[in-house]
Amino acid sequence: GAVVSQHPSWVICKSGTSVKIECRSLDFQATTMFWYRQFPKQSLMLMATSNEGSKATYEQGVEKDKFLINHASLTLSTLTVTSAHPEDSSFYICSARAGGSSYEQYFGPGTRLTVT
Amino acid sequence: EDKVVQSPLSLVVHEGDTVTLNCSYEVTNFRSLLWYKQEKKAPTFLFMLTSSGIEKKSGRLSSILDKKELFSILNITATQTGDSAIYLCAVTSGSRLTFGEGTQLTVNP
Repeated sequence: GAVVSQHPSWVICKSGTSVKIECRSLDFQATTMFWYRQFPKQSLMLMATSNEGSKATYEQGVEKDKFLINHASLTLSTLTVTSAHPEDSSFYICSARAGGSSYEQYFGPGTRLTVT
Repeated sequence: EDKVVQSPLSLVVHEGDTVTLNCSYEVTNFRSLLWYKQEKKAPTFLFMLTSSGIEKKSGRLSSILDKKELFSILNITATQTGDSAIYLCAVTSGSRLTFGEGTQLTVNP
């Protein structure tokens, strides 16, 4: 149980285009989903926290207009990187939490984004 | 600001060695401490610790939390080359998870 999927697993796009990444909890309802970014040889950096049906809470320094997050259902959250630039190239990982007394987050397999 | 510090940042050992990875933290509203193993993709869950002094064990891996001194250790005995990975410590405060920088473990045959 507790499987989280991400799609696509890798994507290459041209500078200036937008890319949407999906995060799905497959066998549980995720009241909260988290989006992280990881640069090579660095740890995971939290970008934003999203609760189903409400606006995402962004971490300091993360542009909410550039990284659009939608958490429209209890099993799906999307991250859209708008007007992507080469410096947005990174590994994007989502995680999902079931809520209640569950503190554990379940991670998706990640999406490798390369902007050319 | 919540802070999680891991040490060492990297470690190279030979198969069969025992290693101890350290994680210290300063967070408000501590809920739990988690250990993850990250190879090529996303982290995989190892342990969640919420109570002091209670060792959690899974095969050759074990971990313990000291909430008074605000740290945790992850032990790996009889290391194997397949243990080579980045080991991440993270602390839950409220609903957020703050990660340490990770320890890059390399186990040589």
